[in-house]
Amino acid sequence: EAQVTQNPRYLITVTGKKLTVTCSQNMNHEYMSWYRQDPGLGLRQIYYSMNVEVTDKGDVPEGYKVSRKEKRNFPLILESPSPNQTSLYFCASCPWDPGANVLTFGAGSRLTVL
Amino acid sequence: AQTVTQSQPEMSVQEAETVTLSCTYDTSESDYYLFWYKQPPSRQMILVIRQEAYKQQNATENRFSVNFQKAAKSFSLKISDSQLGDAAMYFCAYRSALFTGANSKLTFGKGITLSVRP
Repeated sequence: EAQVTQNPRYLITVTGKKLTVTCSQNMNHEYMSWYRQDPGLGLRQIYYSMNVEVTDKGDVPEGYKVSRKEKRNFPLILESPSPNQTSLYFCASCPWDPGANVLTFGAGSRLTVL
Repeated sequence: AQTVTQSQPEMSVQEAETVTLSCTYDTSESDYYLFWYKQPPSRQMILVIRQEAYKQQNATENRFSVNFQKAAKSFSLKISDSQLGDAAMYFCAYRSALFTGANSKLTFGKGITLSVRP
């Protein structure tokens, strides 16, 4: 089944404890992206990657890092999480095809930072 | 920068009736895509419908259709014969047709919560 898989789905952590949210897609998509969803704000892009080894900041990158060493994986790293990073996170991917780049989203990861 | 506005935070519809969700956007681009996404309680983001700005014909997908008014920068979603499973949060989103760099992102509205009364 074609899908974007995120882990963990739920996580409660404490301020300052480094964590990684993994994202993997099995569709051979070139493009991958991370969004966060907060009440009243919709979804906002954190980082994106056009292809392997090519990443760039989105609208809200502060406090996050990403890497794209392999085409299928795009982990989101919180080096020192803070309570304002409590949010619902989505990873998404799509092919590099102007007529077909509709994002496929993962199921979401609910992160709580105490 | 592009913006997407969904001014109604909540709406309610009777089962089997029709409901229209409103969305307006602002852009200086002439070519772009507009989307409606559904987010049920499972939190999964599900694409409902997509509209290409250069196509004048309104997109339809079964019970879902849009009213795309390019000059007015309006993109409303009509749900016909509403079903209990339509209850969800709905997001309107914009994306440039360029799909390069920062133009690759989806710009989302704040969302609207739709409830369906049995």
